[in-house]
Amino acid sequence: AQSVAQPEDQVNVAEGNPLTVKCTYSVSGNPYLFWYVQYPNRGLQFLLKYITGDNLVKGSYGFEAEFNKSQTSFHLKKPSALVSDSALYFCAVRDINGNAGNMLTFGGGTRLMVKP
Amino acid sequence: DTAVSQTPKYLVTQMGNDKSIKCEQNLGHDTMYWYKQDSKKFLKIMFSYNNKELIINETVPNRFSPKSPDKAHLNLHINSLELGDSAVYFCASSQAPTVTYEQYFGPGTRLTVT
Repeated sequence: AQSVAQPEDQVNVAEGNPLTVKCTYSVSGNPYLFWYVQYPNRGLQFLLKYITGDNLVKGSYGFEAEFNKSQTSFHLKKPSALVSDSALYFCAVRDINGNAGNMLTFGGGTRLMVKP
Repeated sequence: DTAVSQTPKYLVTQMGNDKSIKCEQNLGHDTMYWYKQDSKKFLKIMFSYNNKELIINETVPNRFSPKSPDKAHLNLHINSLELGDSAVYFCASSQAPTVTYEQYFGPGTRLTVT
């Protein structure tokens, strides 16, 4: 079985400061990892993914994430936060040995609040 | 242009009623999904269709019946609505049912059962 944990319900950051949103996962094989963002009253938007290759993945809006196999983590980062980054962030995982259908398991979400 | 659209955006109904939510994607994708997001924002897959055929059916009551008339549409019909069905339902699509393709989500349908 695959699972994802986002240990923080909310992260507060001042604008201009670096931000980190944490994600850890559990899979039986190698993971495929995703980050999505949800703005109020909107659907989820894809930010970035790790499939294979370089452990540091760059995505939309200046976000990046680092895959750490030994720590089973895939933390989302941004060097300088913007107020407009305030949203709900979801980490998701798919086990390479998972069944058909591209079924993702999502974490519980982390609300990012960036204050001016 | 809206990539994945859902109608209606809001749906308020009484227990025991039957209702449908429609989803359409204009991305030319082969695979479509339905997700349920509860009041605590927890997101869970319900169904996945590829080229109009069901490929995932998670543990969902059989009161929920997806229908895919063509690969651009995946509608969700819910019979005998219950209070616990209140949630936001998201439709999504991806190019293919393989994990290398990210999923594109619709804006959601907020269902309230009273």
